[in-house]
Amino acid sequence: DGGITQSPKYLFRKEGQNVTLSCEQNLNHDAMYWYRQDPGQGLRLIYYSQIVNDFQKGDIAEGYSVSREKKESFPLTVTSAQKNPTAFYLCASSPSGSREQFFGPGTRLTVL
Amino acid sequence: AQSVTQPDIHITVSEGASLELRCNYSYGATPYLFWYVQSPGQGLQLLLKYFSGDTLVQGIKGFEAEFKRSQSSFNLRKPSVHWSDAAEYFCAAFTGGGNTLTFGTGTQLKVEL
Repeated sequence: DGGITQSPKYLFRKEGQNVTLSCEQNLNHDAMYWYRQDPGQGLRLIYYSQIVNDFQKGDIAEGYSVSREKKESFPLTVTSAQKNPTAFYLCASSPSGSREQFFGPGTRLTVL
Repeated sequence: AQSVTQPDIHITVSEGASLELRCNYSYGATPYLFWYVQSPGQGLQLLLKYFSGDTLVQGIKGFEAEFKRSQSSFNLRKPSVHWSDAAEYFCAAFTGGGNTLTFGTGTQLKVEL
């Protein structure tokens, strides 16, 4: 089945540690996105990539980093510089030229 | 700044009643518009989208939305709500300039049996 997978579903980390969230898609989509979701704030764009080996900052990129070495994968690293990392993180992908985005199931990160 | 506004944070309706969720956008040109639904702890599922043409668009699960340029609105409607419709609903707009989606803050729908 084609789709977007995010792992793990729940992630716990100690304050000050970097953590990497996985996002994989087998839809052959060119573009991939990372969003952060907090209660009452909707979805806010962290980073996006429209092609392999290229990515752009979104609205709230500070404290995060990404890579796009393969078309299928777009991992997000939450660094210790992110002041309030506890949130629900959603990955999405989109075919080239399309405005529609398809979402993964999300990863809930809790920093203790 | 470009924005999407969902004025209602929470809405409660009785099962079988009609539903309307409001969405307003602020853009210079007509954006591409979307409604997504999210069940607790899950990802987002696309309900419907408007790009151009007929201003009344039909979606999945019996939902429809109407684009009104004069009001900069794209309200979501359903004639008869089912208990399984309880979820959070997000309106989003795509503008070519940033090549990204801008989301509203969401409306949490509760359905009373």
